[in-house]
Amino acid sequence: EAGVAQSPRYKIIEKRQSVAFWCNPISGHATLYWYQQILGQGPKLLIQFQNNGVVDDSQLPKDRFSAERLKGVDSTLKIQPAKLEDSAVYLCASSLDGGRVFTDTQYFGPGTRLTVL
Amino acid sequence: RKEVEQDPGPFNVPEGATVAFNCTYSNSASQSFFWYRQDCRKEPKLLMSVYSSGNEDGRFTAQLNRASQYISLLIRDSKLSDSATYLCVVGGLKSSGDKLTFGTGTRLAVRP
Repeated sequence: EAGVAQSPRYKIIEKRQSVAFWCNPISGHATLYWYQQILGQGPKLLIQFQNNGVVDDSQLPKDRFSAERLKGVDSTLKIQPAKLEDSAVYLCASSLDGGRVFTDTQYFGPGTRLTVL
Repeated sequence: RKEVEQDPGPFNVPEGATVAFNCTYSNSASQSFFWYRQDCRKEPKLLMSVYSSGNEDGRFTAQLNRASQYISLLIRDSKLSDSATYLCVVGGLKSSGDKLTFGTGTRLAVRP
């Protein structure tokens, strides 16, 4: 079974530039998550999609970050403009559609390591 | 108080040792509990779910204490390959808008 795919794996940009990340979840997984993981910290949820609808984006800095999941399959996360503090690994994860509690395993992609200079 | 709190470590133990990590959570309505493992510069992977009655998977035992709001992970007979960061994950009810929250992780280093 193919895992969660992400690209690019690495990206270096200068502050105030724009960047976009792509994620293709495991086939059949309804739920897709984007996390930001800063060095030395645990993953922090940025946005959660159920099919193509947003379930939770309470921690997404909406003045500069945007995400979409058209057609309920793959997803893109964009940062515009980037700041130095956005340097982190951006992880995408997917899971089957669980019930009223979180019971399903999240499968993570390899992540995109972003460096903002 | 942080939603999910872990001792960052590192825990430095010799091969064969038994080591235990605790993780405390603040939301008493939490329903789902997991331990994920993250190797250096890799993505997190599910190690085990944590059930109310406690559960064991080989050398790994996870327990939940709802009264004191913590979960634990016990690793027996540590192997070099157990060296990693162990992330505690806690989730509430989706209908309440709760999300899955990751702790900062506890780093384990097993030495020969």
